[in-house]
Amino acid sequence: AQKITQTQPGMFVQEKEAVTLDCTYDTSDPSYGLFWYKQPSSGEMIFLIYQGSYDQQNATEGRYSLNFQKARKSANLVISASQLGDSAMYFCAMRVDNTNAGKSTFGDGTTLTVKP
Amino acid sequence: EAGVAQSPRYKIIEKRQSVAFWCNPISGHATLYWYQQILGQGPKLLIQFQNNGVVDDSQLPKDRFSAERLKGVDSTLKIQPAKLEDSAVYLCASSYQGGFFEGYTFGSGTRLTVV
Repeated sequence: AQKITQTQPGMFVQEKEAVTLDCTYDTSDPSYGLFWYKQPSSGEMIFLIYQGSYDQQNATEGRYSLNFQKARKSANLVISASQLGDSAMYFCAMRVDNTNAGKSTFGDGTTLTVKP
Repeated sequence: EAGVAQSPRYKIIEKRQSVAFWCNPISGHATLYWYQQILGQGPKLLIQFQNNGVVDDSQLPKDRFSAERLKGVDSTLKIQPAKLEDSAVYLCASSYQGGFFEGYTFGSGTRLTVV
């Protein structure tokens, strides 16, 4: 069974600073994908970034980057130059089983608050 | 492109009543997912469709929950009878083919309160 652990229930960051949200995962499958989603207070989850288990380089999407450490089974999200609009819940997710339409397993999330 | 549409946005019902949620995925997306998100937790998969076939419903409480995706487009999730513990946000998501590298597009969800 797959498991995602997000150990930080809440995080605070000053506007314009960088912040790292932690995510560790557990799977015995060698082929998997790791995802981060943002859920603002409006409720709609927004896909941010993806990292494949065989990718050699860390994924980046604008101000988002994923610090992938395969040996440690961690996939931390780094948000650079935080903005007030980044205040939201952030979920790490993992998907295995690429032989079928694979489902994603989600962590319990981290609430990020950006202070002005 | 239009996003994933869900309705209603909010629903309050009494326990033992029935309720239905509707989802229309992004046009052309073959894979559709229903997730249950209890307050303070991450989403938990209830059921996954590939076109109009069920791929995974292992976590769907089949004694009270049912779902269908007729014609492989929109989908309906039903609860009958509802229990207090069903209070949650029900999220619908879709992806193009369900490949393990594809991120999901989510709808805004339906917030269900059972009293």
